[in-house]
Amino acid sequence: GQQLNQSPQSMFIQEGEDVSMNCTSSSIFNTWLWYKQDPGEGPVLLIALYKAGELTSNGRLTAQFGITRKDSFLNISASIPSDVGIYFCAGLVAGGTSYGKLTFGQGTILTVHP
Amino acid sequence: SQTIHQWPATLVQPVGSPLSLECTVEGTSNPNLYWYRQAAGRGLQLLFYSVGIGQISSEVPQNLSASRPQDRQFILSSKKLLLSDSGFYLCAWSGTHGETQYFGPGTRLLVL
Repeated sequence: GQQLNQSPQSMFIQEGEDVSMNCTSSSIFNTWLWYKQDPGEGPVLLIALYKAGELTSNGRLTAQFGITRKDSFLNISASIPSDVGIYFCAGLVAGGTSYGKLTFGQGTILTVHP
Repeated sequence: SQTIHQWPATLVQPVGSPLSLECTVEGTSNPNLYWYRQAAGRGLQLLFYSVGIGQISSEVPQNLSASRPQDRQFILSSKKLLLSDSGFYLCAWSGTHGETQYFGPGTRLLVL
């Protein structure tokens, strides 16, 4: 089956530093999604990517859909304490199905020290 | 705008008792609906998905079942809970093509 390798598993950074995390897959995806989850809450969609090579920003967040369609990265610039949480990538193989079966990475736990 | 609700937010149940978790979506019609379980704050496992009323597909064999009695209502049930059913249950919805899924706030279930 499809698997997503998300790295790093955890990060401890100082406030103001930039953060980078990525996901790689052995399979081709047509959609990449990045979510953030705060403790005890549901994941919140940060960025959605639909085209190979696409680079999309959302405030201090930037994500790219790899040109091979097998990878994606998420960057956070100038981190702040509220960036703390778990970040998940998710990939979707679309086409020919009437639902979207997402494959999730195992998450990156981000800790930001003030 | 679309919103998704789940209740209860937290539930503590004894082993062997029944379970009913509810999920409702507002602001959209004919959504695809999903139930996930998340253990220990990492990794989401898809349990069930539904593309329409009464249409349920199960992803993994287990002690749970799902039903969709109305277009925007999705229910997760069990007749007899097991200790291993403890976890964080998330409901999600997407459009009919399923490109992007949006999650509810989740229900934390503890089976004792």
